[in-house]
Parts: sequence; structure tokens; C-alpha cells
Amino acid sequence: EAAVTQSPRNKVTVTGGNVTLSCRQTNSHNYMYWYRQDTGHGLRLIHYSYGAGNLQIGDVPDGYKATRTTQEDFFLLLELASPSQTSLYFCASSETGANERLFFGHGTKLSVL
Amino acid sequence: GDSVTQTEGLVTLTEGLPVMLNCTYQTIYSNPFLFWYVQHLNESPRLLLKSFTDNKRTEHQGFHATLHKSSSSFHLQKSSAQLSDSALYYCALNGNYKPTFGKGTSLVVHP
Repeated sequence: EAAVTQSPRNKVTVTGGNVTLSCRQTNSHNYMYWYRQDTGHGLRLIHYSYGAGNLQIGDVPDGYKATRTTQEDFFLLLELASPSQTSLYFCASSETGANERLFFGHGTKLSVL
Repeated sequence: GDSVTQTEGLVTLTEGLPVMLNCTYQTIYSNPFLFWYVQHLNESPRLLLKSFTDNKRTEHQGFHATLHKSSSSFHLQKSSAQLSDSALYYCALNGNYKPTFGKGTSLVVHP
């Protein structure tokens, strides 16, 4: 089973704060994704990447930056956090893309006060 | 862009009754992959089943679904609900390496 590790598991910050969420996968998957999960909205794609140095914009990118530093590591950055970004964030990876399942991390619960 | 519609936000069933969760989709891609993911409380989503082939039934863990491209549907079914099936179910579409999820259907099975 593919391993996707997110850190931290929980994070509390204040409005205007700077937050970095980390994700590491150890299965040499090409694709990595950041989703946010909100009741009534489901899972919404923020950013994704198909390799080190690559970044693709998802469906709800406003207020978020991302960086894929290596094959294993994908970061989500909130430079001026707002209460609307309070959410459960999931990182996921897949081997090749379209026909492959996503492997999800355990999630990061972010609260912006 | 792609979209996935799950019409029921909440489905409540008595144990032993059949389950059907609806999923329809829109995409410009002629050969999309469709997925069902299940998320139990305080866990992350995990794959339940997937399909690519038109009109072919796919099964896993007692659940089944058939992709119908003519109606752009991929409904999830099970003949007899169990208490352990209580969870959040997501239908997802991947047509161009950008997975899109529906809003999810919460299934609650009671005795």
C-alpha cells in the first residue's frame, strides 16, 4: 500500500498568518495533489503536480501556492491565511494519472482564527 | 471543465435493504475513468472500485457499479446494506489527469 504522509496533523493559526502544509510520498508516484474537504462541497482540487518542479492549477487555487521540490515532497503554502481557509486538507498521489487510484494521506486539519 | 453530480447528500437505510447511490458526470473526454471512493469516520478516502469500460459491471467488497456512457452515469449499488457500510461515498472522474470529485453522499445504515 502506497504511503502518503502529511504534517502537521493539526494546525491553528490566526488571520494573516503564514502556513505551510507538507506531504511526502515514498512510492515514486508521479502525480501529487492537494485537496480541501468541506461539508457540502466534497473534495475540491487546489493544486497538483506531475513531477518535481511542475505545478498545475486546480479548481480552487485562490489564496494558495504550492511547490513540488522533489519526486517525494509536495508543499501547500498559505501566505495570508483567512478564516475561509479553515478546512481539512488532503494530499494524495497516484502512479501515472488518469486510470490510477489516488492514495490519500491522513489529512491536516487547519483552523484559521 | 469536468463535473460530477451526486444528487443525494444523505441516504439513510435500514440494515438489509438495498443501496443505490447516484452519480452522473460531464466531461469533454470520450474515455474517462470513473471511481467510487469510501471514507469512514476519521479516516481518509480510499478506493472502492473503478471503471473505464462502457456497460461493464465492476464489483468489489459487495458493491457494484456499471459505467453507462450513453447516460453519463456510474451509480453505486449493493444488494444488502450492512451497518459497517455507514460512511461518506465519493464518485470521481478522471479524464485528463485532473481528478474531479462529487460533493459526496453520506450513507447511514441503522439496525
